[in-house]
Amino acid sequence: DIVMTQTPLSSPVTLGQPASISCRSSQSLVHRDGNTYLSWLQQRPGQPPRLLIYKTSNRFSGVPDRFSGSGAGTDFTLKISRVEAEDVGVYYCVQATQFPYTFGQGTKLEIK
Amino acid sequence: EVRLVESGGGLVQPGGSLRLSCAASGFSFSNYAMHWVRQAPGKGLEYVSLISGNGGSTHYANSVKGRFTISRDNSMNTLSLQMGSLRAEDMAVYYCVREGVGAAHDYWGQGTLVTVSS
Repeated sequence: DIVMTQTPLSSPVTLGQPASISCRSSQSLVHRDGNTYLSWLQQRPGQPPRLLIYKTSNRFSGVPDRFSGSGAGTDFTLKISRVEAEDVGVYYCVQATQFPYTFGQGTKLEIK
Repeated sequence: EVRLVESGGGLVQPGGSLRLSCAASGFSFSNYAMHWVRQAPGKGLEYVSLISGNGGSTHYANSVKGRFTISRDNSMNTLSLQMGSLRAEDMAVYYCVREGVGAAHDYWGQGTLVTVSS
């Protein structure tokens, strides 16, 4: 199975400041079809997860443009340009390149 | 509007069985692969199972293989998960999830809680 490792596991951030979460996979996430199936989810407290980014860098419908994704191969990053109070929650990376799909451990974003 | 509504969770004894259902609406159900993803209390997300749009292909996590069966009824827009030989470690919120754009988990239900305890 592909292991997804996120860092940091906890990220205290000041409102209005940027935040960055890293996700590293144990194998390349480039699919034989040439696509990289790495996405990012946000889970606010008490809510189900919500899709933010798909295929490394594509924002899902309705996601604010302060969220951006980047990376290639085995190293990926989610960035929030200016953290708002509603961004508090846990963020997960997930790969869908190879079965079984696997999730990172989650990164808890909290406000300082 | 895409809606996924799970039901069927509850308290079950170790070794028991339970059937979860997910009612889908707001999209062409048969055109999408569907997943079950679970989350143990206070823990992260874990892939459980996937079924293709026409139901012809299924996949399971090793942790549930041979004990759980995923199925779908495209005429009723319903996804199901038959769970057997339940263990304490199966206790979790089970989410019904659509696999959409870029093979991503694009829509999630609110989840249904399965508690395994004697």
